[in-house]
Amino acid sequence: QSALTQPRSVSGSPGQSVTISCTGTSSDVGGYHYVSWYQQHPGKAPKLMIYDVSKRPSGVPDRFSGSKSGNTASLTISGLQAEDEADYYCCSFAGSYVFGTGTKVTVL
Amino acid sequence: QVQLQESGPGLVKPSQTLSLTCTVSGGSISSGGYYWSWIRQHPGKGLEWIGYIYYSGSTYYNPSLKSRVTISVDTSKNQFSLKLSSVTAADTAVYYCARGFGVVIPSFDYWGQGTLVTVSS
Repeated sequence: QSALTQPRSVSGSPGQSVTISCTGTSSDVGGYHYVSWYQQHPGKAPKLMIYDVSKRPSGVPDRFSGSKSGNTASLTISGLQAEDEADYYCCSFAGSYVFGTGTKVTVL
Repeated sequence: QVQLQESGPGLVKPSQTLSLTCTVSGGSISSGGYYWSWIRQHPGKGLEWIGYIYYSGSTYYNPSLKSRVTISVDTSKNQFSLKLSSVTAADTAVYYCARGFGVVIPSFDYWGQGTLVTVSS
């Protein structure tokens, strides 16, 4: 299956909010109540930030929130901080996992 | 705190079999409830799920790789392993092992640091 579509980059100033979209199809994002989001700093392993569309693992700040509408999922980072600068990947399922193309978040 | 660590050759020749092992500490694979997974990332690219195994030995593979992939588990050593056969340069990637949790569709909450495997003669 094809990768989910994410914007190549988004940016914001500290304290602002940014939203990353993740667009798929009715066979993946739209077909399952399952989307997860991963944060990846350069040279590091991905870190789970959101699972099951909108749930946060223990230890993830509540500045991170997830949602879904139809075939598009979103990750919002509120109160942007310098340490949030990283690549973010969404992930859905369509009989097999499918990841997004990745979005680089830049904190200005 | 669960920790995962990949190990194996960093260089594999084309047409050979890539073999990696993931050692789990801080938790027992045989306790059940988790899906022990392999995920890779091509240089500068996104993530690709390879497959996972349950402690009982049940496996689930990415259909696009299924014909070349074998994932196995050794509960006595608290390890699970990946074999990818007939490799080509397209299999050059950072390989991660990870723990999947969740009843219906697992998400990956603990990851190893990753190991770069280069396919080259």
